[in-house]
Amino acid sequence: EPEVTQTPSHQVTQMGQEVILRCVPISNHLYFYWYRQILGQKVEFLVSFYNNEISEKSEIFDDQFSVERPDGSNFTLKIRSTKLEDSAMYFCASSEEGTALRGYTFGSGTRLTVV
Amino acid sequence: QKEVEQNSGPLSVPEGAIASLNCTYSDRVSQSFFWYRQYSGKSPELIMSIYSNGDKEDGRFTAQLNKASQYVSLLIRDSQPSDSATYLCAVNYSGNTPLVFGKGTRLSVIA
Repeated sequence: EPEVTQTPSHQVTQMGQEVILRCVPISNHLYFYWYRQILGQKVEFLVSFYNNEISEKSEIFDDQFSVERPDGSNFTLKIRSTKLEDSAMYFCASSEEGTALRGYTFGSGTRLTVV
Repeated sequence: QKEVEQNSGPLSVPEGAIASLNCTYSDRVSQSFFWYRQYSGKSPELIMSIYSNGDKEDGRFTAQLNKASQYVSLLIRDSQPSDSATYLCAVNYSGNTPLVFGKGTRLSVIA
């Protein structure tokens, strides 16, 4: 079964540092997403990406966040200057046909801890 | 603001019983609905999708959709301890807009 792969599984960083979270979506998928889940809270949308550009972003996705597809396989989320409140699980997801028909396949997540 | 509401639980059922999980959503024009299972510390895993009013069955799982009442539910028959997890309801409001998730209902199946 094809998988969405995320690395690292756990990242600890100091407040103010930059982090890059990496994702390899399923190879024939065209739509990519980042979500986050603060401990004990709901899964929240950050950003969606299609055709090499951001298609939608939430209020959470402010100027400290950016996404990139640097090559044909990787999809990255960069947090420029981390804050304590950025500590969360970050999930990458991909979809073959967009949201409506089949939902998403999620990666296993990166647990980000900002200290 | 698009909202998806779920009772956070925990919902406790004995092994072999039917577990019933409920979800309401705020926008009448919502298109498609998904149930994800999330084990503690793990990522959401898609278990069911439903687009049309009525029931959709897949093994021990049945999803039920009532668009007039803006209500979607998940029934798990013959519940097993391995079904103990948090069940997330997710709604696609239109086209390729991102899924909006509820907070999830924690299910505990007691052996």
